[in-house]
Amino acid sequence: DTEVTQTPKHLVMGMTNKKSLKCEQHMGHRAMYWYKQKAKKPPELMFVYSYEKLSINESVPSRFSPECPNSSLLNLHLHALQPEDSALYLCASSLPVQGGPMDSPLHFGNGTRLTVT
Amino acid sequence: AQKITQTQPGMFVQEKEAVTLDCTYDTSDQSYGLFWYKQPSSGEMIFLIYQGSYDEQNATEGRYSLNFQKARKSANLVISASQLGDSAMYFCAMRDANTGNQFYFGTGTSLTVIP
Repeated sequence: DTEVTQTPKHLVMGMTNKKSLKCEQHMGHRAMYWYKQKAKKPPELMFVYSYEKLSINESVPSRFSPECPNSSLLNLHLHALQPEDSALYLCASSLPVQGGPMDSPLHFGNGTRLTVT
Repeated sequence: AQKITQTQPGMFVQEKEAVTLDCTYDTSDQSYGLFWYKQPSSGEMIFLIYQGSYDEQNATEGRYSLNFQKARKSANLVISASQLGDSAMYFCAMRDANTGNQFYFGTGTSLTVIP
């Protein structure tokens, strides 16, 4: 069983819809991530939260809006998406690095397969 | 500049044979970590093995081992006794002291195990 839980597993939405992706972890990790992944490509970093504060935003369009309500939860709010936004969205968590060792891996959820019609 | 390079888009290996997946990296930091992930067609990203920049021994985890050559900046994954279930995408990743929470991924290698 994965320790990072993502819901929903699949999502189909129209371009005018508003939906949210949810991610939850109970490993005590204080760094949480959203990645977007197209088939046969590496994950592309979208956002990083460290201690519930947004620390990295990789120039993601504003139709994607992240939220970190607490140390266990991470949301990605979707609005007015385009068909090219169809992808696998992966949430991940890790121990944040504060000048310490590098050995904490990313723990990924199983992802949400998003289709925008 | 590309931090992680995987030069093998696709690899084939006979069942029960060993296979090496290549990964080279680029960083000026002394402190960094290297990770390998497996992604089957179902989509989940599975952490396989870690190598730290200060580790003197090559990492091993069951059938996975890491051939770490620091001077060459390479961290190749070796899978021994390949199984059909090893067919998947494999990604090499790195985090370093400069960028901390950010992980850099290579483009991946698609491994197919032939019965």
